[in-house]
Amino acid sequence: QKEVEQNSGPLSVPEGAIASLNCTYSDRGSQSFFWYRQYSGKSPELIMFIYSNGDKEDGRFTAQLNKASQYVSLLIRDSQPSDSATYLCAVSMDTGRRALTFGSGTRLQVQP
Amino acid sequence: EPEVTQTPSHQVTQMGQEVILRCVPISNHLYFYWYRQILGQKVEFLVSFYNNEISEKSEIFDDQFSVERPDGSNFTLKIRSTKLEDSAMYFCASSEGVGAFTNTDTQYFGPGTRLTVL
Repeated sequence: QKEVEQNSGPLSVPEGAIASLNCTYSDRGSQSFFWYRQYSGKSPELIMFIYSNGDKEDGRFTAQLNKASQYVSLLIRDSQPSDSATYLCAVSMDTGRRALTFGSGTRLQVQP
Repeated sequence: EPEVTQTPSHQVTQMGQEVILRCVPISNHLYFYWYRQILGQKVEFLVSFYNNEISEKSEIFDDQFSVERPDGSNFTLKIRSTKLEDSAMYFCASSEGVGAFTNTDTQYFGPGTRLTVL
């Protein structure tokens, strides 16, 4: 069973701090990694994707990928109360497959 | 900004009834998907659709499910005989899918249809 694991949280950080969200995956053949944000009762909203080892920055968000350790993370700098949501890690497991396997998500709470 | 739309937002049905969930993908996108999320659980892949046929499906997508692109804009998910355990939020998604598979082909989700089976 190919799995994507996330700590369910909640992860609580003060406003202005850096939030660090982590995700591990079981399939070494995984190709693409996505971070989605989901507010309660809403649909997943794409934040960013990463497919090469290393860091990728987009505004306040940085995704980090380490394929050797099968680990992907999302850093949110200058966290705002509006960032409070569940963050979903999604992985495209096999070459040529587009189906995404989601983790259960980490709930982030940014305290004003 | 283009977005995926879904109707209805909430569907209530009796067990054993057929339901059709509707989606309008982003207009220039070529791949379409259905996912579901049972309350409090993970988002789960059901099926992907390309060039008028199913390209991938999960174990969840059994004979009671079907998908169709009845015209140039709509994409539908039919559940033939609903069960209590089909109660979930159903999300449609689409991606550009231009050319050969690229691992940057990002999927954009619609707002979802909440299906309640009584």
